[in-house]
Amino acid sequence: QSVLTQPPSASGTPGQRVTISCSGGSSNVGSNAVNWFQQLPGTAPKLLIYSYNQRPSGVPDRFSGSKSGTSASLAISGLQSEDEAHYYCAAWDDSLNGWVFGGGTKLTVL
Amino acid sequence: QVQLQESGPGLVKPSETLSLTCTVSGGSITSYYWSWIRRPPGKGLEWIGYIYYSGSTNSNPSLKSRVTISVDRSKNQFSLRLSSVTAADTAVYYCAREQRTIVGGRWLDPWGQGTLVTVSS
Repeated sequence: QSVLTQPPSASGTPGQRVTISCSGGSSNVGSNAVNWFQQLPGTAPKLLIYSYNQRPSGVPDRFSGSKSGTSASLAISGLQSEDEAHYYCAAWDDSLNGWVFGGGTKLTVL
Repeated sequence: QVQLQESGPGLVKPSETLSLTCTVSGGSITSYYWSWIRRPPGKGLEWIGYIYYSGSTNSNPSLKSRVTISVDRSKNQFSLRLSSVTAADTAVYYCAREQRTIVGGRWLDPWGQGTLVTVSS
């Protein structure tokens, strides 16, 4: 059972906006910035969002992150077929002095 | 840009020690934290531990007694040893670079492709 809670699945149609939630606690999401990763089958997790809604170079601005208290969300606007993937959230945990992860959300583009 | 590549045996017998190496190319191992993370089949990601380039380490309490992480700066590599493995240690193992900022921001990027390690006799 993962420390951070994500819905196992999400879906949307092309062009739609979808959000994926990530719920944690005061020692992780409540205290630190959340990372969001995209993983396609057989590939390495790719960083999408870090440090309070920063995007690495090359990540489209269709991807955005937000946080309120001990919950965070990833929003994907203008959904595209290539967005179909698994999405994971992660945060530093001050009690563990290490990283905690969500169980992952499989996004299906209908 | 920086790339990471995991290497090591894909099959380990129960009770033996799993050994993996992560080779860093396109950049120096200096001045960063380096993590090991795994994903058992059908489960979520689990942080195993990290090492700073200077050699200081920390690991997940659930694995701490079995984990050793080391760094070889001359080879731009860091390594994981997990002792007394069982079938529960079967997973895809990833290495990743951790970046930290003075104001407390942290992120994991990039990651290696991952390597499947199966524990079976």
